[in-house]
Order: sequence, then structure tokens, then C-alpha cells
Amino acid sequence: AQSVSQHNHHVILSEAASLELGCNYSYGGTVNLFWYVQYPGQHLQLLLKYFSGDPLVKGIKGFEAEFIKSKFSFNLRKPSVQWSDTAEYFCAGPAHSGNTGKLIFGQGTTLQVKP
Amino acid sequence: SAVISQKPSRDICQRGTSLTIQCQVDSQVTMMFWYRQQPGQSLTLIATANQGSEATYESGFVIDKFPISRPNLTFSTLTVSNMSPEDSSIYLCSVDSGETQYFGPGTRLLVL
Repeated sequence: AQSVSQHNHHVILSEAASLELGCNYSYGGTVNLFWYVQYPGQHLQLLLKYFSGDPLVKGIKGFEAEFIKSKFSFNLRKPSVQWSDTAEYFCAGPAHSGNTGKLIFGQGTTLQVKP
Repeated sequence: SAVISQKPSRDICQRGTSLTIQCQVDSQVTMMFWYRQQPGQSLTLIATANQGSEATYESGFVIDKFPISRPNLTFSTLTVSNMSPEDSSIYLCSVDSGETQYFGPGTRLLVL
């Protein structure tokens, strides 16, 4: 069955520290991967997505993610975090092969950035 | 992109009652989805709301508990029936637009 897993459940960083959140997927077929962010009190927003092509994708707010097929990974990175990056981060992929639009989400990672 | 609104934004309900959540999109979309986010957990897909046919439910979710309507290409409703405290969650509507899913603000439901 398709699955998406996130390694880190709760991450605490100081401002200006570098960030890397792990995401692994487990399925075959078309690989479409997403990172979503949910800021406190706000709704889910798309950070970035990978469909094909350059495995290093850049998103909003300085975030990027690298798709590494051999490792089944799609880790999220940011070189220098800000207090405003405090949020819940979700990795997601297709729930069923064939990219029907349905998503399966990882467990989520709570990022707390200390000023 | 797509802009999605949901009503109500939150509600507190008594067990045994039902609540209907509305989802409105600012453009016509083929596919609409309903997700649930239980406290401290990730999002779980409930069903796909199909226009002109019955909704398609994921494993563990049934039509009697979560009836869904999709009368047109911009609107859908999800009803949480015969509620119990275990139904306390955030319910989110999403749409597939341009190979990306956009999410509504969610409806926060507390069942007492």
C-alpha cells in the first residue's frame, strides 16, 4: 500500500539555524510529492511540489526539497529559519497509483523556532 | 489556484446529533475531497465527492456515517451523522486544480 512517513515529529530550532525535515514514501508508479505547511490558526498551504524533472524543487518562503529516487525520500530544507516558520509541516503523496488527486499525508512535523 | 470557503468554521454539538458542513469553491472543479484531521494527528482522506454520482469512500468510512452531496461543480456538503465524541476533529474540504490540491480553512467540530 502507498505510504508517506515523516521522521521528525517535533523539531525545535533557534532562528538562523538550518532545517531539514525528513519524508519517505513507499509506492510505485507516478511519483508526485508535496510539502504543505499549516501555520497556527491558518489553513493548509502548499509549500512546494515535485512531479518530474529537476529533483531539486524550490518553493515559497525560501524552502526547497530534493527528490532522491534511490532513497525514496523527499526531504524539506531551509538554510536559515525564522520565528515565522513556526508551524506544522506535512509531506504528502498520491493515495492511489495513477495520480487521482487523492493524497495520503505523513504524520506531520511540528517546527518550533525560538527567537 | 482555487479559493475555498467552509461553513461553519467551528461548532460544538451534542452526541447523537448530525452536522452538515458546506464547502464552496470560487471556480468549477471536477474533483472535490473531504479529509479529517483528528486532534494531534495528520489528515486522513474520507471520500471523493463526485458531481452527478455517489461519493467514493475510503476504507473505514461509510456513506451512512458521512453522507456527501455534490449538486454542482463548485459546491459540496459533508454530513457527520449520529455524532460521538470520537468524531471531534477538523474536517477539511479540498479541490484538485492544476495538479495541485488546495484546502479550505476547515471546520473544527467538538462533540460533547
